[in-house]
Amino acid sequence: QKEVEQDPGPLSVPEGAIVSLNCTYSNSAFQYFMWYRQYSRKGPELLMYTYSSGNKEDGRFTAQVDKSSKYISLFIRDSQPSDSATYLCAMSLNSGGYQKVTFGIGTKLQVIP
Amino acid sequence: DAGITQSPRHKVTETGTPVTLRCHQTENHRYMYWYRQDPGHGLRLIHYSYGVKDTDKGEVSDGYSVSRSKTEDFLLTLESATSSQTSVYFCAISGQAGGLTNEQFFGPGTRLTVL
Repeated sequence: QKEVEQDPGPLSVPEGAIVSLNCTYSNSAFQYFMWYRQYSRKGPELLMYTYSSGNKEDGRFTAQVDKSSKYISLFIRDSQPSDSATYLCAMSLNSGGYQKVTFGIGTKLQVIP
Repeated sequence: DAGITQSPRHKVTETGTPVTLRCHQTENHRYMYWYRQDPGHGLRLIHYSYGVKDTDKGEVSDGYSVSRSKTEDFLLTLESATSSQTSVYFCAISGQAGGLTNEQFFGPGTRLTVL
């Protein structure tokens, strides 16, 4: 079993829809939770970052962490064609003085105009 | 891309040849990483560096070596390339003064094909 599980999709939604992306994890030692967005043939870029259970909102994006269920989500409101990308969840823990990051395999999202 | 460049951006090489990929940063971040990204596997850490001349192995380090002689440069070497090393390689940095080591910033990637 992988430490971080993420459905690779693809997920196809109409423009304006609310998108829900999810990851589960098995290691309760993970302390920090992140979402990266990766456009085709580009490097991942950090989208959201949180370290506690609950919700964090940034514009159209909301990151949700439920440590008791080992489950994180990213919600995108009023989705736009420009949101079409692969979304990677990532989690980190302290490993010998630095934060070791484990990534999900990514969910490919397509927003149809 | 947060002041990170990778070279070359694309490379095609033959099995058995040595290959060196370069990562250069202008952000003065302490930590530098090399990942490979493959379908079905996501990003996997090859090696990382926590300072000049200080490096350590990641989860998929076999067949790879690294060097960091300056803060800004991190080299990844495939001593004898194999077809299984065909992948997209990403460099990442983290740990700017006052920042968090887990907040990583990625370069644009190098697409390597080993024939």
